Amino acid sequence: GAVVSQHPSRVICKSGTSVKIECRSLDFQATTMFWYRQFPKQSLMLMATSNEGSKATYEQGVEKDKFLINHASLTLSTLTVTSAHPEDSSFYICSARGQINYNEQFFGPGTRLTVL
Amino acid sequence: GDSVTQMEGPVTLSEEAFLTINCTYTATGYPSLFWYVQYPGEGLQLLLKATKADDKGSNKGFEATYRKETTSFHLEKGSVQVSDSAVYFCALSDSQAGTALIFGKGTTLSVSS
Repeated sequence: GAVVSQHPSRVICKSGTSVKIECRSLDFQATTMFWYRQFPKQSLMLMATSNEGSKATYEQGVEKDKFLINHASLTLSTLTVTSAHPEDSSFYICSARGQINYNEQFFGPGTRLTVL
Repeated sequence: GDSVTQMEGPVTLSEEAFLTINCTYTATGYPSLFWYVQYPGEGLQLLLKATKADDKGSNKGFEATYRKETTSFHLEKGSVQVSDSAVYFCALSDSQAGTALIFGKGTTLSVSS
């Protein structure tokens, strides 16, 4: 149980385009989802926290207009990178937390974004 | 704020060697502590966790004990295998607030046969 999926696993896009990444909790209801960004050989940096039905809370330094997060249901959150640029190339990872085992997060496999 | 510091890698070991990866933390509350593993090309997987002082988390031969007096959560394994080669992340979560995880920088382990 407690499986989180991400789609797509890899995406390559041209500079200036927008890319949407989906994060789904497959077998539990995720009251909270987190979006992280991981640079090569570095740790995960929290970008934002989203609770179902409310606006996401962004970490300091993360542009909310560039990284649009929607958590419209208890099983789906989306991250849209708007007007992507090469510096947005990274590994994006989501995690989900349910109502049971509140202090445990379950991670998706990540999405590799490459902006040309 | 809360933070996690773990030893820098890479750590290179021969098969069956003993492994220790140090992790210390700074937190104002009573955090839960975690070790996550990331195999090449994959996402993070929870390896083990401990939610209060003196708890020992264990899984797949790995162990870590929550030491409040030394604010540490060192990862150990008595005999590593080639398949243990991965990046290991120490992390904490403020269980009082149920906040997001704060990760250490990760330690790359490479085990050779």
